[in-house]
Amino acid sequence: DADVTQTPRNRITKTGKRIMLECSQTKGHDRMYWYRQDPGLGLRLIYYSFDVKDINKGEISDGYSVSRQAQAKFSLSLESAIPNQTALYFCATSDSGTSGSSYNEQFFGPGTRLTVL
Amino acid sequence: GQSLEQPSEVTAVEGAIVQINCTYQTSGFYGLSWYQQHDGGAPTFLSYNALDGLEETGRFSSFLSRSDSYGYLLLQELQMKDSASYFCAVYSSNTGKLIFGQGTTLQVKP
Repeated sequence: DADVTQTPRNRITKTGKRIMLECSQTKGHDRMYWYRQDPGLGLRLIYYSFDVKDINKGEISDGYSVSRQAQAKFSLSLESAIPNQTALYFCATSDSGTSGSSYNEQFFGPGTRLTVL
Repeated sequence: GQSLEQPSEVTAVEGAIVQINCTYQTSGFYGLSWYQQHDGGAPTFLSYNALDGLEETGRFSSFLSRSDSYGYLLLQELQMKDSASYFCAVYSSNTGKLIFGQGTTLQVKP
């Protein structure tokens, strides 16, 4: 079984709809992240959470919200989807150790391809 | 803030050596890492450097010069399966964030 899973894998929706993307992990990591990937723009951080009670905005949080329901679950919501939110969304996790590798090594889920019409 | 620059595309032939450069700007530098992403797949971690010098992992090596805010990923004995996008990323202890470059698409030709 995959360590980091995302549902759904693909989603097509209409402008104005509320959408939730879900992420679950079995790695036992405290830290979880949501990224967005657009062609030519790399991976941009939307939100991140260092534990259940700690949630932080990333580079591009406008139009998004998150919920950390448990150590293993981190959901991303688009309250009112718009076409320029069409992108590939990745969830990732990392260990909470103090070594450099803990901070730098992230484990990614398979991604959710979202299309907003 | 944090920013990274890397070439958008690189082409090489099978069996050759290719170097992908990355320059960065950040405060509270805590490491430069490299990720590989095949088309349609998830990024996967390749390596990271916190100290100056070369780190070797099989056919892949990564180099860091903190004084120059520069690093590179070296891929040797290129294989067709190495065709992918490669991202450098920098972690800042000030922000607690790992910020990714825009990625370099490597095309390996026969």
